[in-house]
Amino acid sequence: DAKTTQPTSMDCAEGRAANLPCNHSTISGNEYVYWYRQIHSQGPQYIIHGLKNNETNEMASLIITEDRKSSTLILPHATLRDTAVYYCIVRVAGGNNRLAFGKGNQVVVIP
Amino acid sequence: GAGVSQSPRYKVAKRGQDVALRCDPISGHVSLFWYQQALGQGPEFLTYFQNEAQLDKSGLPSDRFFAERPEGSVSTLKIQRTQQEDSAVYLCASSLKNKGSARGHTDTQYFGPGTRLTVL
Repeated sequence: DAKTTQPTSMDCAEGRAANLPCNHSTISGNEYVYWYRQIHSQGPQYIIHGLKNNETNEMASLIITEDRKSSTLILPHATLRDTAVYYCIVRVAGGNNRLAFGKGNQVVVIP
Repeated sequence: GAGVSQSPRYKVAKRGQDVALRCDPISGHVSLFWYQQALGQGPEFLTYFQNEAQLDKSGLPSDRFFAERPEGSVSTLKIQRTQQEDSAVYLCASSLKNKGSARGHTDTQYFGPGTRLTVL
């Protein structure tokens, strides 16, 4: 699976949109982009995933560049409960589709 | 509906003891994964089951680690002769694998809360 690069940490203002970047320049055509987050002392929580089109659900939006080499997770109105480590993962479809988490991006939402 | 559950949530073991960690996946989920998360790190893959078959155990760090899922639902991760370096959070995840899925379909993994193992 392709490797991803994220900031080690970032702060976001409560009530504002939080834009979380991820680089995956070696992504291949059959790899999806997945986002998970992990709130302290909890298991990872699935947020969203996509292949090449932008995706939106009740939690977030995922914007994937046309060349698929990077993506941005958007939390539209960050709350204090969004403070967590966010993981951007690329993964081949099917088979043993293990998740390669990396160290993630520690996002702190500030009042 | 009910999510993935794990027990116990916390386990303290003396070095050399054997431990067993349980995972109850979401009902009907065919695939089950175990991950290990050291302090300050992301989760690392240990092993994968499809139904009762253990299809990949390449992430198990040593032969002291053993996992089973005899009836294709509940899974147990056993660690024999625990060492201090085994201290970590052990996470279980399950996903619904649809054998008839279209090409390119992927399976979202849903995680349990984890078991924090501390070896003294």
